[in-house]
Amino acid sequence: TQLLEQSPQFLSIQEGENLTVYCNSSSVFSSLQWYRQEPGEGPVLLVTVVTGGEVKKLKRLTFQFGDARKDSSLHITAAQPGDTGLYLCAGGSGGSNYKLTFGKGTLLTVNP
Amino acid sequence: SQTIHQWPATLVQPVGSPLSLECTVEGTSNPNLYWYRQAAGRGLQLLFYSVGIGQISSEVPQNLSASRPQDRQFILSSKKLLLSDSGFYLCALSVGPGGYTFGSGTRLTVV
Repeated sequence: TQLLEQSPQFLSIQEGENLTVYCNSSSVFSSLQWYRQEPGEGPVLLVTVVTGGEVKKLKRLTFQFGDARKDSSLHITAAQPGDTGLYLCAGGSGGSNYKLTFGKGTLLTVNP
Repeated sequence: SQTIHQWPATLVQPVGSPLSLECTVEGTSNPNLYWYRQAAGRGLQLLFYSVGIGQISSEVPQNLSASRPQDRQFILSSKKLLLSDSGFYLCALSVGPGGYTFGSGTRLTVV
């Protein structure tokens, strides 16, 4: 069974601070995705990374896929209250029966 | 673009009553469809997935079943709800390795 461990589970910071959240596994994934979920809503895809060592930037968010494709990180620069939410990472196993394994998430609160 | 519609948004049902949650898709054909359950706003547990009409794979033995009567319709059902069936149910679709599109979810409370 593939497992994804996310850390920290909870993070509360002040507006303007930087932060990094982590997603780790002992398994290799064909792709790694990050989602953000707000209360009472479904998760929304932020990014997909597929190549070991790949780095993608989305405005103030930087995503990195580990060289061995077993881990990933999400770095947010100058966090804003609008960044508040549950950040979920998910690993893809590929194939025609494409399924994702989700981590339990990091609950981020950015205080104004 | 792909859109996914899920309803109702909230549902309160007594123990022992039946359940039917529906999910419909627009903007794509032959998607993979998924039902997830999320407890206490945390990780997602895959319940069922479908790669085509009438094709259902169950991930977790439980009190629920799923059906896909049409390409763009996915239904989650139960004959008799249990208290432990309470949770946030999410329908999702994928058309490749690029990621999932999720519905807005149904908050089910069994009382």
